[in-house]
Amino acid sequence: ETGVTQTPRHLVMGMTNKKSLKCEQHLGHNAMYWYKQSAKKPLELMFVYSLEERVENNSVPSRFSPECPNSSHLFLHLHTLQPEDSALYLCASSQVARGSGNTIYFGEGSWLTVV
Amino acid sequence: AQKVTQAQTEISVVEKEDVTLDCVYETRDTTYYLFWYKQPPSGELVFLIRRNSFDEQNEISGRYSWNFQKSTSSFNFTITASQVVDSAVYFCALREGGFKTIFGAGTRLFVKA
Repeated sequence: ETGVTQTPRHLVMGMTNKKSLKCEQHLGHNAMYWYKQSAKKPLELMFVYSLEERVENNSVPSRFSPECPNSSHLFLHLHTLQPEDSALYLCASSQVARGSGNTIYFGEGSWLTVV
Repeated sequence: AQKVTQAQTEISVVEKEDVTLDCVYETRDTTYYLFWYKQPPSGELVFLIRRNSFDEQNEISGRYSWNFQKSTSSFNFTITASQVVDSAVYFCALREGGFKTIFGAGTRLFVKA
């Protein structure tokens, strides 16, 4: 079992749908992240949570809405997405949010296709 | 400003060849960490190594080795006697203080049998 698990692994949704991505970490970490990986683009940091508090929001459109109910769970709520939002969405966690020595551990990702 | 450059977009080798993946970084901080991750087709980024800016010792782990040179701001990764299972995208990353880990664009490695 990996330390960070994501569900669903694959999701196809229409532009008017509402769906959520779920992430759970079993590493006892205090920080969680959402990254977006599109074809031909580098990994983009979307959100950072530290002890359930959002500490970084990297100019992400409001159609992406994160939620962190506790330090082990992270959600990404999706609605009225565009086809260009199709990507691999990666959840990650680290011991703490701030600091140079933090190693980020990733989940397997959720492949999202918007049709 | 932070920046990580992986100039090699794709590399193709034949099994048992050695291959080196290049990583060049830019930072104004004196304290920072460098990382390498492997991303197989399944999607998960697998952590391989972390190095801090004060430790320039080279590291070897099985068939993997890393060469960190502050003088050239490089942190290169060598796979010795490559295998088909090494086929993946490899990312170099840099972290200063703060919340962000900056990733390079990745190098896609194909190892042919």
